[in-house]
Amino acid sequence: DQQVKQNSPSLSVQEGRISILNCDYTNSMFDYFLWYKKYPAEGPTFLISISSIKDKNEDGRFTVFLNKSAKHLSLHIVPSQPGDSAVYFCAASSYINRDDKIIFGKGTRLHILP
Amino acid sequence: GAGVSQSPSNKVTEKGKDVELRCDPISGHTALYWYRQSLGQGLEFLIYFQGNSAPDKSGLPSDRFSAERTGGSVSTLTIQRTQQEDSAVYLCASSSIVGNEQFFGPGTRLTVL
Repeated sequence: DQQVKQNSPSLSVQEGRISILNCDYTNSMFDYFLWYKKYPAEGPTFLISISSIKDKNEDGRFTVFLNKSAKHLSLHIVPSQPGDSAVYFCAASSYINRDDKIIFGKGTRLHILP
Repeated sequence: GAGVSQSPSNKVTEKGKDVELRCDPISGHTALYWYRQSLGQGLEFLIYFQGNSAPDKSGLPSDRFSAERTGGSVSTLTIQRTQQEDSAVYLCASSSIVGNEQFFGPGTRLTVL
């Protein structure tokens, strides 16, 4: 049973436009959410996070939105750049249950088109 | 500062052989995780260690897989009697607290012929 779902395996976006990557979760105990970015032949790197007390967190071109009632979060990248082409993993964890590990989605491959 | 390191970076082995993959976490990180990423798949959780607690082995796909963490630092993932479906990139990550941001190593690409 997948607790963190990224239903789009891939996404293509024109350079300069907005990229929106979506993520859904099922466990209502999750209260901390993260996005990781992964280039080929490298390990994932942390991109941005959000806790459940907020509904938006912004860092430069990257913004994460959290809709707790819908158990949905999204990552917005604007404007999209060629270097943003990578696989993006959504992840979730529970701070209440300190022993819980981070659960990852299967990832979305983002292609930025020239 | 030093990040998470993994060795070897690439491993080619024959079906039926045993392999050992090593992970050196960031110094002071108490939580250590192993994942694998098969071709076209996402990150599949295998096992994690937190301090001196018993490891969470819930993601290990079979009893051919095992892992140890010695002295709360270096970890070794062992795959016995490797099969072709074990071919994947094996990633190690560490974090200062379970549930916190994880820092990943570069991975070990395992190819079973």
